[in-house]
Amino acid sequence: QVHLLQSGAEVKRPGSSVKVSCKAFGDSFSSYTYSWVRQAPGQGFEWMGEIVPIFGTVKYAQKFQGRVTITADESTRTAYMELGSLRSEDTAVLFCARGMNLDSWGQGTLVTVSS
Amino acid sequence: EVVLTQSPGTLSLSPGERATLSCRASQSLSSSFLAWYQQKRGQAPRLLLYAASTRATGVPDRFSGSGSGTDFTLTITRLEPEDCAVYYCQQHDTSPRTFGQGTKVEIK
Repeated sequence: QVHLLQSGAEVKRPGSSVKVSCKAFGDSFSSYTYSWVRQAPGQGFEWMGEIVPIFGTVKYAQKFQGRVTITADESTRTAYMELGSLRSEDTAVLFCARGMNLDSWGQGTLVTVSS
Repeated sequence: EVVLTQSPGTLSLSPGERATLSCRASQSLSSSFLAWYQQKRGQAPRLLLYAASTRATGVPDRFSGSGSGTDFTLTITRLEPEDCAVYYCQQHDTSPRTFGQGTKVEIK
């Protein structure tokens, strides 16, 4: 079993960027896929991208291509998601989740974009 | 991308009743890549079922899943007050991974 702990809430200005972390405790880290999924207020889920640390392979949703960067640090068992050129519509809770079936989720990180 | 349409939008039932939730895909999916999640208010989602019908660790057997192709179903037999939540289906057969819009289950 694994516990995923995300970094805290962020308030950002339009046009800036945000970087959210997701640290894994307990189980093997590198061999799993880590996805980033966002949920706008009162809305459903939107997949942003994923990384497999052991291979270094990354996949992004076309909607976020060019604006999102997902990385992982195997030494600290941490995955990261950076989203740039923020706009108000990016206000959402960001979740990291592990595995092809998203079997474990972080607690979520609220990112608020406001001038 | 694959669009997942869930119905109904809201289900209001009494404890002990049976809930049937539908997830319809815009194109045929391998059932191996269809999952269901439960999200309670203010919480992160929890994996309930994967491969359409396999319960995740610790999920009670009153939750079951079925379906193939474009039509999938989550059934909750003997509803309990703690089952009050929004339920989402999700596919990872084709990229991008997509989610249904959710079905809210209310307990009367």
